[in-house]
Amino acid sequence: DQQVKQNSPSLSVQEGRISILNCDYTNSMFDYFLWYKKYPAEGPTFLISISSIKDKNEDGRFTVFLNKSAKHLSLHIVPSQPGDSAVYFCAATFGSGDAGNQFYFGTGTSLTVIP
Amino acid sequence: EPEVTQTPSHQVTQMGQEVILRCVPISNHLYFYWYRQILGQKVEFLVSFYNNEISEKSEIFDDQFSVERPDGSNFTLKIRSTKLEDSAMYFCASSRGGRAIGGYNSPLHFGNGTRLTVT
Repeated sequence: DQQVKQNSPSLSVQEGRISILNCDYTNSMFDYFLWYKKYPAEGPTFLISISSIKDKNEDGRFTVFLNKSAKHLSLHIVPSQPGDSAVYFCAATFGSGDAGNQFYFGTGTSLTVIP
Repeated sequence: EPEVTQTPSHQVTQMGQEVILRCVPISNHLYFYWYRQILGQKVEFLVSFYNNEISEKSEIFDDQFSVERPDGSNFTLKIRSTKLEDSAMYFCASSRGGRAIGGYNSPLHFGNGTRLTVT
């Protein structure tokens, strides 16, 4: 039951260029989407999020785009830096009142930024 | 910046033994979670916990698993009788709330994980 999919297991980009990481989801109930970055031997670190009422959210070099009709979101990193090399996970969730909401994760994309 | 801490970082146990994985969530967070990641696979939800009870659990979280918040700071995951397939990285996470101010969810903040190896 793969509700959040990241179809590219890996991506290599030259330093200074744009990195684009993609994510697709199947559950139309999802209304909050997140990107996490993970270095080896560490837990996932929250990077940026977007609510379903928006189609774009920007934070410094990171921008997340949401296309609800296509059930697709993407993370753009501009310019890419070697320190951005990590595994990036897409995640999604939906509201359930005051209860803890399950966050569904993709399988991750390993980004390598080449100096 | 406050962080989620997990102990131990690595736990090796024999099949059939009980293990307890420990977590100290961020102090003003109200929602607590356990996730796991088997090597090379996706991050999988196990359980969420709010107001001293389980909010949601996955199919993975069977009768062998239990969670507890024994005091005001710790959040534990117990596996009663470990199996080989329980070998994974176990991540604890916490969040401020299901719906933060403004109507948006607050993100999960993860610990660095406990690597559980069942032999």
